[in-house]
Amino acid sequence: AQTVTQSQPEMSVQEAETVTLSCTYDTSENNYYLFWYKQPPSRQMILVIRQEAYKQQNATENRFSVNFQKAAKSFSLKISDSQLGDTAMYFCARFTMDSSYKLIFGSGTRLLVRP
Amino acid sequence: NAGVTQTPKFRILKIGQSMTLQCTQDMNHNYMYWYRQDPGMGLKLIYYSVGAGITDKGEVPNGYNVSRSTTEDFPLRLELAAPSQTSVYFCASSSERQRNTEAFFGQGTRLTVV
Repeated sequence: AQTVTQSQPEMSVQEAETVTLSCTYDTSENNYYLFWYKQPPSRQMILVIRQEAYKQQNATENRFSVNFQKAAKSFSLKISDSQLGDTAMYFCARFTMDSSYKLIFGSGTRLLVRP
Repeated sequence: NAGVTQTPKFRILKIGQSMTLQCTQDMNHNYMYWYRQDPGMGLKLIYYSVGAGITDKGEVPNGYNVSRSTTEDFPLRLELAAPSQTSVYFCASSSERQRNTEAFFGQGTRLTVV
């Protein structure tokens, strides 16, 4: 099965510190996208950052950046200068475009930012 | 813009009852998805569609059916509700024509089967 794995059910970080959330995925396709979504208690799904598999450069969006290791099928999210509003569930997701067009999510990491 | 609209927001069903969760999007997206999210867990793909008239099974399709007669609408049907289907259901849509293929989500439907 083609899966997305998040091995850290919960993480905790002090406000203003840096935290890294891990994600690995499995795919036999070459054309795909990777995403990190944030889900606060409101249940709304919010896109944090995305990475196109054919791009070697790691994506960055303000305090959020990724470490994309294509050969290792690894896609970690780094949050710098953590803020209280970053407290949420974070989901890694993979969208494949060669054959299936499925958008598959990992099981999530609950992040708590401590004041 | 309305984006992705799901109805209802909440529903309580009795075992064996049927219902349809409605999902509509106004962004002319070709891809649409249904997910379920159990408490404290991730999103599991139930069914998806790559365009009108085309649907396919996801990770957990048993007990559900879908149809896609138009680009805008993608209803999810529960025929014989079971307690195991108690969950929060999300509909989402996206398009490869958009540069980033970002998926847009509805607000979710909280379903309880008693």
